[in-house]
Amino acid sequence: DTQMTQSPSSLSASVGDRVTITCQASQDVSIFLNWYQQKPGRAPKLLIYDASNLETGVPSRFSGSGSGTDFTLTISSLQPADIATYYCQQYHHLPALTFGGGTKVEIK
Amino acid sequence: EVQLVESGGGLVKPGGSLRLSCAASGFTFSTYTMNWVRQAPGKGLEWVSSMNSGGSYIYYAESVKGRFTISRDNAKNSLYLQMESVRGEDTAVYYCATGYSNIWAAFDLWGQGTMVTVAS
Repeated sequence: DTQMTQSPSSLSASVGDRVTITCQASQDVSIFLNWYQQKPGRAPKLLIYDASNLETGVPSRFSGSGSGTDFTLTISSLQPADIATYYCQQYHHLPALTFGGGTKVEIK
Repeated sequence: EVQLVESGGGLVKPGGSLRLSCAASGFTFSTYTMNWVRQAPGKGLEWVSSMNSGGSYIYYAESVKGRFTISRDNAKNSLYLQMESVRGEDTAVYYCATGYSNIWAAFDLWGQGTMVTVAS
């Protein structure tokens, strides 16, 4: 299976800061990489699909980039509503749809 | 309203069985690939299984292969997960999910989850 490694595992930043989360695949996944946001006690929410496409309704402060093995999720100006855990997920190497380990984002 | 609602979770003894259900409404269930994803307490997301619309393609995570069976009844707009020979590590919230708007594997529609606890 393709392993997805996220870093950092957690971070603390101030409101208004630019936040970057990285996701590295153990093999080339092309652009078949999605990002999710999960708040405590809630189901995950799709933010970005195919590496850089913003899901409808998601604030434009979220963006995704990358291809191959290295990907980035960026929050351009961190807001209190962004406190959550973020996961990447690849779907290039089937049958396993593997998720990263998650990055917990907190407010400093 | 477009939604997925899971049910069937609960407490089950190691080695026991449980059947989870996911009821879909508000969309043409029969045309969508459906998936199960789980999350152990305090842990990350783990994909469990996928089934395409007609049931001809079925995939399982290695951790559940041979023990869990995914199925669907398109006439009843329902997805199922039959869990056999359960283990402590199967304790998790189980979500059904689908790629409703765009891509089958970009899960933009999730249920609320159903908790499965494996303990004696």
